[in-house]
Amino acid sequence: ETGVTQSPTHLIKTRGQQVTLRCSSQSGHNTVSWYQQALGQGPQFIFQYYREEENGRGNFPPRFSGLQFPNYSSELNVNALELDDSALYLCASSRRTSGGQETQYFGPGTRLLVL
Amino acid sequence: DAKTTQPNSMESNEEEPVHLPCNHSTISGTDYIHWYRQLPSQGPEYVIHGLTSNVNNRMASLAIAEDRKSSTLILHRATLRDAAVYYCGSARGTSYGKLTFGQGTILTVHP
Repeated sequence: ETGVTQSPTHLIKTRGQQVTLRCSSQSGHNTVSWYQQALGQGPQFIFQYYREEENGRGNFPPRFSGLQFPNYSSELNVNALELDDSALYLCASSRRTSGGQETQYFGPGTRLLVL
Repeated sequence: DAKTTQPNSMESNEEEPVHLPCNHSTISGTDYIHWYRQLPSQGPEYVIHGLTSNVNNRMASLAIAEDRKSSTLILHRATLRDAAVYYCGSARGTSYGKLTFGQGTILTVHP
């Protein structure tokens, strides 16, 4: 148990639809990162949010967007879904201080299937 | 981004040491090396990280080559609960939340 929760656990969508995934951070954590993990692959960094602002982005198109709320929970939104978006979406929370960022803790992920 | 490569799979026997290798061919001087492991239907779990010198914690040891182009995760006595996919990766400076992962090594532990 890492204290990071994600919802829903599974989701099925069709091509062209939009999806919103949610993440609740571990208590005391102010930073959230989102990753996409295709089957049999390592997680790929999508973006990170710190204090409600995007703080770094990986090689993902603008149709992947996010939000972080004042309570540090977060959403990942994907528009115009494509078949290749089928993957496990992981969020990870951590605490960032003046000394740097501490170890991140992952949630169990949301499994998205696009048909 | 740093490119990391790992063997697809490795096997070990219970209570024997396991050395899991990782190549970081394009790592830069300020990139920290991280290791995580992932059990089925779970998110990755932090194992260990380091910059230049070898690191130890209660879970494992991390040996980093002098040129930092490779690292080795050492499990001193493998247990059945250590069977998982092990990912090495790197992150720039102290930006631990922006990790670039390798493809992962499936570790099988035989009783």
